[in-house]
Amino acid sequence: GNSVTQMEGPVTLSEEAFLTINCTYTATGYPSLFWYVQYPGEGLQLLLKATKADDKGSNKGFEATYRKETTSFHLEKGSVQVSDSAVYFCALRSGNTPLVFGKGTRLSVIA
Amino acid sequence: DSGVTQTPKHLITATGQRVTLRCSPRSGDLSVYWYQQSLDQGLQFLIQYYNGEERAKGNILERFSAQQFPDLHSELNLSSLELGDSALYFCASSVATLDTQYFGPGTRLTVL
Repeated sequence: GNSVTQMEGPVTLSEEAFLTINCTYTATGYPSLFWYVQYPGEGLQLLLKATKADDKGSNKGFEATYRKETTSFHLEKGSVQVSDSAVYFCALRSGNTPLVFGKGTRLSVIA
Repeated sequence: DSGVTQTPKHLITATGQRVTLRCSPRSGDLSVYWYQQSLDQGLQFLIQYYNGEERAKGNILERFSAQQFPDLHSELNLSSLELGDSALYFCASSVATLDTQYFGPGTRLTVL
């Protein structure tokens, strides 16, 4: 079946540090890949997505590239801010199947 | 603000009880999804409705049921509640099944 594995947190970084959150997947067919972010006390928000191999999704300084050869979709940001503190979820959808989420990675950015 | 509303925001109840969670999708969205988020299980898909009909089912217990009404709002009914049902329940909506899902703020259920 479809599954997503993402690095366990929590991840604690200083402001302006480089962020990488690893995500790998197993899927049948050609999945679409997503990163969602959950700020404290809120629901999930779509951060970025990619629908085919080599696509790069980007938003708010975050980027992730769909790598079919390594079945990965790692999230990166060059310089994190305190306001980026949240839980980040990698997810996939293949065909008409529902979204499958990773367990989430909590990021704390300290000033 | 995603445009998806959920009520109530918090719910505290006792074991064995029954509760109803309500979700109003974004204007124009026909599809509604329910998810359960707990510390041990993570974010789990429960069920999807599209324009009033059940479209997909995930790890939903038999004690749980849902429906989508003609005005497209949805309700998730949880009965014979157990301590382990304590979780955040999210509703999401999309125009159609393959479109981006927008999440509501969630209902936090505490079963004592």
